[in-house]
This record gives sequence, C-alpha cells and structure tokens, in this order.
Amino acid sequence: RKEVEQDPGPFNVPEGATVAFNCTYSNSASQSFFWYRQDCRKEPKLLMSVYSSGNEDGRFTAQLNRASQYISLLIRDSKLSDSATYLCVVKVYGQNFVFGPGTRLSVLP
Amino acid sequence: SQTIHQWPATLVQPVGSPLSLECTVEGTSNPNLYWYRQAAGRGLQLLFYSVGIGQISSEVPQNLSASRPQDRQFILSSKKLLLSDSGFYLCAWSVQGGGTGNTIYFGEGSWLTVV
Repeated sequence: RKEVEQDPGPFNVPEGATVAFNCTYSNSASQSFFWYRQDCRKEPKLLMSVYSSGNEDGRFTAQLNRASQYISLLIRDSKLSDSATYLCVVKVYGQNFVFGPGTRLSVLP
Repeated sequence: SQTIHQWPATLVQPVGSPLSLECTVEGTSNPNLYWYRQAAGRGLQLLFYSVGIGQISSEVPQNLSASRPQDRQFILSSKKLLLSDSGFYLCAWSVQGGGTGNTIYFGEGSWLTVV
C-alpha cells in the first residue's frame, strides 16, 4: 500500500461547481498535513495546511479525519484559475514529507 | 523573508554529458534541503536530502549525486547523464526541527532533457 493515495482523476468540472478531493495516508503517526497546488510545468506551492478541527480559506475547505486517516479538500464555486494538480502531503515528525501522486483538476468554461 | 532559487531553469544535455544544478536559499539558517525529481505526468520522487553541511542522504540509488558545500547551497550532479534522467528537478527547503506547522518550499524547478 502506498503511503499517501489520492483520487486518480482527472476531474473535469464546469465553472461554479463544487469539487472534492480525497486523500488517505497509511502511517498513523503522521502529524502534519497539507494541500499543495502545482500548475503545469511549475513548482508545487502550499495551498493550505490541514488542522484537526478543519479549516477554511475563502472557497477552500480542508478536513482531517485522524481515525480514518483521511484528508479532504473542498473547492466551492470553481474558477478557471483553479485548474491545476492538487497534491496531498503528509509528514511524521522527524521524517521526510510524503507526497501523494496528485489529482488533476480542469475547470471548464 | 525566505527565498529559494535554482538554476538553470532549462537545459538540454546529450547522453553521457555531466550535469550540475544549483540551489540556494536566503533568509534562513541551517535549513533542511531536498532534491526531488518529477518525470512527465508522474509524482514527486525524493532523490536526496540534507540536514547540514556535508550531510547527504540518498533515497534512490542512481547515477546522480548531491553536495552541500555551504549551509544554504545544495548542488545536484551527475558525471554521465542517461536518457532516463530527463525530468523536472526541484530543490526545496524546510525549517529544521520544525513543529507540526513546518512546511516545505520549492524552487522554480529545472527542466532537464537528455538527448
């Protein structure tokens, strides 16, 4: 089993749609969780950290379920500019960051 | 604020030629440094990481090597490139010993095409 798994994608959605990405991790000792965004042929950039109580940043909402070892990212009112690959990232203290394979999102006009 | 730069941004190299990619971090001291590779349409593969000057850990056996001659400088090298070395190379840094909020930051990346 891979350490971090994500929806295989791609997701093709119309502008204004709500889209949810799922991520599962295998190491129960994981302590830090993040969503990164990677545009085509660019470096990954931090979108948001994921906190135990869940957190929201504008149209983006992240949730963490430690019992199920599951992380989610919800994007509301999708924009064309949201088109990118979304990477789930997990870290155990003292170990390296583990990246999921990513889920590609295309928001269509 | 902290910044990370790597160069060159793009290079085309013949098989068997050497490689040198450089990365520097500014605005922080004693960072963890990383080299990742991303093949076309694939996920990120950790190649090397370093917790200090001269301290390099390799994650994947290959014909690449890394060096950290200064605290905020990380270099990726190869003596003889293979076709399979083509890809997008990313340098990254993180705060050493950071807590749960510790994140990783990437340079702009270097596109390598071996022909």
